[in-house]
Amino acid sequence: KAGVTQTPRYLIKTRGQQVTLSCSPISGHRSVSWYQQTPGQGLQFLFEYFSETQRNKGNFPGRFSGRQFSNSRSEMNVSTLELGDSALYLCASSKDTGVYGYTFGSGTRLTVV
Amino acid sequence: EDKVVQSPLSLVVHEGDTVTLNCSYEVTNFRSLLWYKQEKKAPTFLFMLTSSGIEKKSGRLSSILDKKELFSILNITATQTGDSAIYLCAVVDSNYQLIWGAGTKLIIKP
Repeated sequence: KAGVTQTPRYLIKTRGQQVTLSCSPISGHRSVSWYQQTPGQGLQFLFEYFSETQRNKGNFPGRFSGRQFSNSRSEMNVSTLELGDSALYLCASSKDTGVYGYTFGSGTRLTVV
Repeated sequence: EDKVVQSPLSLVVHEGDTVTLNCSYEVTNFRSLLWYKQEKKAPTFLFMLTSSGIEKKSGRLSSILDKKELFSILNITATQTGDSAIYLCAVVDSNYQLIWGAGTKLIIKP
């Protein structure tokens, strides 16, 4: 079966711009979580969506937002990009809400210049 | 504040060596501990540990949890170059939130 698909794989943006990242979960998975990964910081939780509703949110500024569509695909948006937003953004899907049975995508590498 | 600390942050060994990776935690309402392997980008699940003293084993990898001393170790015996990766530890709290460690970068030299 197809895995979790994230697009694009790589992205270069300029400070102040905004960006939208996409995540298509495994078929049948209704929960999608987003993480930011920077060297030495591990994975930082952004938010989780389940059945189009945001269920949990991490400690990120309001510039980071997301949504989930009826087909469970999810997008996250970062507005007014800062240099510190450069990171690998990973999404993970699971059948039910919660963290067990996570399957991660390969991520989107965002570079802000 | 809840936290998960992994050590060492990086490790270089030769093929055939045995390595032990550490994960200590301070989490108010512990539910379970997870280990993941991240080779290129997508972390892949290794183990879930919920009970103290019960070893989980998969091939050359094994892991154990000590809930009294608040740590877990991941052992890899007879290492191979394919074991080179970042190993991530995460604790699940009572709200099913994951608290991640920063990871241990393991490099296996031929």
